[in-house]
Amino acid sequence: DTGVSQNPRHKITKRGQNVTFRCDPISEHNRLYWYRQTLGQGPEFLTYFQNEAQLEKSRLLSDRFSAERPKGSFSTLEIQRTEQGDSAMYLCASSPRDYSDTQYFGPGTRLTVL
Amino acid sequence: LAKTTQPISMDSYEGQEVNITCSHNNIATNDYITWYQQFPSQGPRFIIQGYKTKVTNEVASLFIPADRKSSTLSLPRVSLSDTAVYYCLVGDEEGGSQGNLIFGKGTKLSVKP
Repeated sequence: DTGVSQNPRHKITKRGQNVTFRCDPISEHNRLYWYRQTLGQGPEFLTYFQNEAQLEKSRLLSDRFSAERPKGSFSTLEIQRTEQGDSAMYLCASSPRDYSDTQYFGPGTRLTVL
Repeated sequence: LAKTTQPISMDSYEGQEVNITCSHNNIATNDYITWYQQFPSQGPRFIIQGYKTKVTNEVASLFIPADRKSSTLSLPRVSLSDTAVYYCLVGDEEGGSQGNLIFGKGTKLSVKP
């Protein structure tokens, strides 16, 4: 068990560019969550998957954001036409089965939009 | 939504016991109380979870009174490496939220030598 991994760890991009982040959950964890965290704030929920199905999206997830989890394994989070307000830490977490299980977080991807 | 309120910051010295109290007046009957720890540039890490009374593990203890409207995380004999932000969360089952965690701003604990 190597834990949740995220790549890249850091991403600097120019406004208007598209970026994609990857999350590899703990093996055999059915649930995968994405959160966003800005400086001085706690993480905010964006979306989650139960296996390959995306079951909930936060209102924070605008049309420029899309997430996928093909085959119920790794997940990607894409942001199109990035804005400076998208600068944040993007965290991924996974849990074994359902909502009552502990969520294990990855180290995050820090996005800076210039 | 079940919200939590906790102090913004706390200071302590090495070797002391630290107690961080969290208020959650609107906790639902089925909600659990969970605490996470977060170091700079890392994701949150699960510390402890409880439903009522007292829970203890190798890292901390969690005290929950009978009315469950608050909880206290107790860290025995803290060290410099315990300097982190500590988040208190309660499960939110309203509005179809299936387990997404609702974080507040947390308590920034600073441990001094």
